[in-house]
Order: sequence, then C-alpha cells, then structure tokens
Amino acid sequence: QKEVEQDPGPLSVPEGAIVSLNCTYSNSAFQYFMWYRQYSRKGPELLMYTYSSGNKEDGRFTAQVDKSSKYISLFIRDSQPSDSATYLCAMTPINFGNEKLTFGTGTRLTIIP
Amino acid sequence: NAGVTQTPKFQVLKTGQSMTLQCAQDMNHEYMSWYRQDPGMGLRLIHYSVGAGITDQGEVPNGYNVSRSTTEDFPLRLLSAAPSQTSVYFCASKSPYEQYFGPGTRLTVT
Repeated sequence: QKEVEQDPGPLSVPEGAIVSLNCTYSNSAFQYFMWYRQYSRKGPELLMYTYSSGNKEDGRFTAQVDKSSKYISLFIRDSQPSDSATYLCAMTPINFGNEKLTFGTGTRLTIIP
Repeated sequence: NAGVTQTPKFQVLKTGQSMTLQCAQDMNHEYMSWYRQDPGMGLRLIHYSVGAGITDQGEVPNGYNVSRSTTEDFPLRLLSAAPSQTSVYFCASKSPYEQYFGPGTRLTVT
C-alpha cells in the first residue's frame, strides 16, 4: 500500500463549478501538507501548504486537513479553464520544511469552458 | 533571476550509454534534489543534497550518481542507461517553505 493515495482522475468539470481534490495517507508522522499544480510539460509549482488540521483559504483555493481521518482536500471555487492542470498532494513529517516530500500520483483536472 | 534550470530538455539514449543531466539554481539554496516522474507512480526522490559536498540517497537511487561541488549546481549522472530509466526528471531546490522545481528533462532509453 502506498503511503499517499490520490485518485488519478481524469476529472472534468464545467467552468464555474466547485472542484474537490482529495488525498488519503497512512503515515501518522506526516505533519506538513502541500498542494502542487503542474501544467502539461512543466515542473510542479507550490499552490498551498498547511501544517494544522482545519481549513486554509487563499483566494479561490481552500486546503483542508483532517489528521484524525488522515485525509486532505483542495477545493477550487469558481473554477476557470486556466485551472486545468494536474494537482499533486505532498506531505512530510518535518514541520518546518519540505525535505523528503512524499507525493501522491496526481489528479488530472480539466475545466470545460 | 532564472530560478532552477535544467538541460537538456529532451534526450534519447541507447541502452548502456551514460549521460549527465544538468541542474543549476541561482537562489542560493542549500537543499537540492532530483525526482523522477512516471505515470501512476507520482514523483519519486532519487538523490538529494543539503549543501555543497553532502549528498544522500532518496527512494530510488539505483543507477544514478550525484555530486555537489558548488551551491549552484547539482548534476545527475546515469552510469549505464536502461529502458527502466525512461522518465521525466525534475530537479528542485528548497527555500524554508517551498521547493522550486525546474522545467524537467524528458529522457527516453531505447
């Protein structure tokens, strides 16, 4: 069993819809959680990070962490065609940095105009 | 400020050939790493370095060598290429809260 599980999709939604992307994990030592966005044929770029249970909001994006259930989510409100990308969750036991990140496999998202 | 740069962008090798993937960063980051990305496998850590002269193995180090003689450069060497090393390779460097990834090198081994 992988330490981090992520539905690979693909996921297609109409423009303006709310998107929910999820990861589950098995290692209770993970403390720091990140979401990366990767456009086709590009490197991943950090979208959001959080280290506590609860919600963190940044514009149209909300990251949610439930450590008791070992479950993290990324919500995208008012989705735009420019949000079409692969979204990777990542996590690490270290509480201040990003060394030795463990990544999910990524979910490919397409926003249909 | 170029961030993380990688060369080449594409490469085709024959089985048994060797090559070096170049990576450079201009952000003065101490921590750098190499990942490979394969369909259904996500990003997997190959090697990493916490500073010049210091390297360590990641999750999938076999068949790869690294060295770190300067803060800026972190090359990845394939000693004897195998078809299983066909992948997209990403170099990254780290600030306290974020890893910055390069654009990737697409490698095909035939």
